[in-house]
Amino acid sequence: EIVMTQSPATLSVSPGERATLSCRASQSVSSNLAWYQQKPGQAPRLLIYGASTRATGIPARFSGSGSGTEFTLTISSLQSEDFAVYYCQQYNNWPGVTFGPGTKVDIK
Amino acid sequence: QVQLQESGPGLVKPSGTLSLTCAVSGGSISSSNWWSWIRQPPGKGLEWIGEIYHSGSTNYNPSLKSRVTISVDKSKNQFSLKLSSVTAADTAVYYCARSPAATYYMDVWGKGTTVTVSS
Repeated sequence: EIVMTQSPATLSVSPGERATLSCRASQSVSSNLAWYQQKPGQAPRLLIYGASTRATGIPARFSGSGSGTEFTLTISSLQSEDFAVYYCQQYNNWPGVTFGPGTKVDIK
Repeated sequence: QVQLQESGPGLVKPSGTLSLTCAVSGGSISSSNWWSWIRQPPGKGLEWIGEIYHSGSTNYNPSLKSRVTISVDKSKNQFSLKLSSVTAADTAVYYCARSPAATYYMDVWGKGTTVTVSS
């Protein structure tokens, strides 16, 4: 099983600032990496797939990069609605997708 | 657009079987997508349970495989989850989700349903 790790566990950011979230895979997943945003009491929402492609309707302030084992989600200028938990997910080792433990982005 | 809605009992007794259904609306379950179940214990992360294709082909998380059955009912445009021999560790929010054709990320999610295992 491919193990996903995320850092930091919590990121405190002021509105308008840049947020950089990291995700690492225990072995290469190529570009088969997705990012999700989850707000309290809601289902996850797909942000990024293919490591860098924004899903439909996702604002341009969200961007993804990386390949292999190291990935980054960047939120260029945090808005109030962006404070949430972010999960990465690998789908290279299909069947059997795995999620990271999440990074919580909260208000500084 | 496609919408998913989970339903089923919110309380299951230990050693019993958890049964949930996901109704698909706004599209056909027979389209070229995989349909998944994912769960999230309280305050914790996401765990993929398994998936099904409209043909009936399934894949399961190895850690749950011995207890999980996912099935599809094309006539009702829905798919279902059964998890047997449940314990308190199976208490979670259960989500159904869609993976677009030939991809394995989830682009459409249901709102989730909370299942508590307790006597």
